[in-house]
Amino acid sequence: DQQVKQNSPSLSVQEGRISILNCDYTNSMFDYFLWYKKYPAEGPTFLISISSIKDKNEDGRFTVFLNKSAKHLSLHIVPSQPGDSAVYFCAALFHSGAGSYQLTFGKGTKLSVIP
Amino acid sequence: NAGVTQTPKFQVLKTGQSMTLQCAQDMNHEYMSWYRQDPGMGLRLIHYSVGAGITDQGEVPNGYNVSRSTTEDFPLRLLSAAPSQTSVYFCATSTGLAFQETQYFGPGTRLLVL
Repeated sequence: DQQVKQNSPSLSVQEGRISILNCDYTNSMFDYFLWYKKYPAEGPTFLISISSIKDKNEDGRFTVFLNKSAKHLSLHIVPSQPGDSAVYFCAALFHSGAGSYQLTFGKGTKLSVIP
Repeated sequence: NAGVTQTPKFQVLKTGQSMTLQCAQDMNHEYMSWYRQDPGMGLRLIHYSVGAGITDQGEVPNGYNVSRSTTEDFPLRLLSAAPSQTSVYFCATSTGLAFQETQYFGPGTRLLVL
């Protein structure tokens, strides 16, 4: 049972426009959410995160929105650039206490930004 | 400052063989973790460590062992390799709150088990 779902395997966007990547989760115990970017043959790179007590976090061109009631989060990239072309992973974290964690990733969405 | 290094970059094993994937960091980060990524899948957490001498299981720990005798090193041992362990393995480190702070990933080790 997938607890973190990225339902769009791919997304194409024109350069300069907004990219919106979506992520849904099922476990209401998740208390932190993260987005990573991955280029081929490289390790993932952390992009941005958000605590479950917030509904928005912004860092430059990247903004993450969290809708807890809908168990949905989204990553907005504005404006999109060709260098943003990569696979984006959503991840959700549950801290069960006593130093134990559960970190679950979605399958990723491949973003292509067209010049 | 090398960051996170992983060796080897690529390895072919036969079923039943054992091996150790190495991960080293020079950033003095407390938290280290191992992930595997299968084709078309997200990363899955295998094991993690919140500090030297402390390790815990992630989502898919079976078939793997870890130890953390120093802050710098976090080796992942495959006890008896199986074709299902064919994957790309990533090591990552972070400081501060586990996983909530920026994680720095190594370049990965591609493992093929025949």
